[in-house]
Amino acid sequence: NAGVTQTPKFQVLKTGQSMTLQCAQDMNHEYMSWYRQDPGMGLRLIHYSVGAGITDQGEVPNGYNVSRSTTEDFPLRLLSAAPSQTSVYFCASSYSSGRNYGYTFGSGTRLTVV
Amino acid sequence: AQTVTQSQPEMSVQEAETVTLSCTYDTSESDYYLFWYKQPPSRQMILVIRQEAYKQQNATENRFSVNFQKAAKSFSLKISDSQLGDAAMYFCAYRLHNQGGKLIFGQGTELSVKP
Repeated sequence: NAGVTQTPKFQVLKTGQSMTLQCAQDMNHEYMSWYRQDPGMGLRLIHYSVGAGITDQGEVPNGYNVSRSTTEDFPLRLLSAAPSQTSVYFCASSYSSGRNYGYTFGSGTRLTVV
Repeated sequence: AQTVTQSQPEMSVQEAETVTLSCTYDTSESDYYLFWYKQPPSRQMILVIRQEAYKQQNATENRFSVNFQKAAKSFSLKISDSQLGDAAMYFCAYRLHNQGGKLIFGQGTELSVKP
C-alpha cells in the first residue's frame, strides 16, 4: 500500500530548463492536488484535480501546467524553470463522500533552480 | 476568497507543559472543515486533529484539543503534557465541504519543546 508516491525527492535545475514532477496514488482517490511550501508562507495550492480529465488552478498557478489523464497520476510540469520556483513541492490525494473524507500527502520534492 | 492566518511564527513550550497555537480564518461559507497538521523535519504531513464546522463540540485527540469559535472564526490548538516529539511545524488548514481537493493552509507555527 504505497499511498502517494512523488518522484524525484530532490532536483536541481538550471534557469530555463523544463521538468516534470511525478505524483502517483494507488488509493483510487478522486481528488489530487499540488502545493508548494516556502518559508513563512505555508503550503500554497498550485493546481488541483477533481477527477480524470478535470483540472483547475489554485492560488499560485503561474509557471506550472498539469494534466490528469488517469485517476492514479497527476504530474506537475515546469515549462521554463525560474529561481522563484525553488521550493518544496507536495502532492496530495483525497476522497470526499458526504461527511466522510481523508487526505494523503506525498513525501515532497525539494527543487532548487539555479 | 478564503484565507487562513497563523500569527505566531514560532512558539516554545517546556516539556510537560501546555501550549496553545492560534489560527484564524476568513470565510463567508457556513459548511467547512478545519484541520491541524504536524510537519516534523522529515517533511511528512501528519493530521493531528480535524473539526467539522457544523459540530459545536470541540474535537479532541488524546493530548490535542481545539477551541473552535465559529462566530469569531478562530480555531486554536491546545497541546497538553507537551513531549519532545511534539516539536515540529504546525499548519492550520481549511476546506469547504463541497471542495474536496482544495486545502487552504496558514503560514505555519514552528513549535520547539524544551527539556
